[in-house]
Amino acid sequence: DSGVTQTPKHLITATGQRVTLRCSPRSGDLSVYWYQQSLDQGLQFLIQYYNGEERAKGNILERFSAQQFPDLHSELNLSSLELGDSALYFCASSPITSTSGGTGELFFGEGSRLTVL
Amino acid sequence: AQSVAQPEDQVNVAEGNPLTVKCTYSVSGNPYLFWYVQYPNRGLQFLLKYITGDNLVKGSYGFEAEFNKSQTSFHLKKPSALVSDSALYFCAVRDIFPNNAGNMLTFGGGTRLMVKP
Repeated sequence: DSGVTQTPKHLITATGQRVTLRCSPRSGDLSVYWYQQSLDQGLQFLIQYYNGEERAKGNILERFSAQQFPDLHSELNLSSLELGDSALYFCASSPITSTSGGTGELFFGEGSRLTVL
Repeated sequence: AQSVAQPEDQVNVAEGNPLTVKCTYSVSGNPYLFWYVQYPNRGLQFLLKYITGDNLVKGSYGFEAEFNKSQTSFHLKKPSALVSDSALYFCAVRDIFPNNAGNMLTFGGGTRLMVKP
């Protein structure tokens, strides 16, 4: 058990809909990361938050957005869903974000499997 | 940007035999390298990391990895494979955004390890 909690574990919805995925990081971790895992794209970095602030963006679509709340949990919002958004969405956390400290390993949750029909 | 490559989609090995899962990297500066394992319908679990020091890094579940700077490789190894080692293995490299804005892990495409009894 990594200590990172993601809900829901499974989600089935229709095209055009909007969903919210939730992540609680490990106790004390300030950084939260979102990744998308699909069969054809592998593991893609979406976005990073640190202590409530967005820090880095990867290949995140404009239809997707995220935020990190004062209690450090994070939510990933996916809207106007398309069939191609079907994937496993992972949240990960780590204690720091700066390059001056830590070694960079991430601790992953079990993922939220999204199926868009 | 930093990158890693896993040249084999799948590796087959008999139980009790040694296993190697290959990874090569392309980085500027000193690499921070990682191996993760993903079991079916589970999140990624951290196995080991190389930051600096000894080229042979020991990790969880009897795995080790050898860092080779001249060959820019970071192959994962285990002296004696178990059927329970069958899983998807990912190599990753730490990537840092400009101005230390943030950091993330960039993953290889993954290698499926099949250990047969």
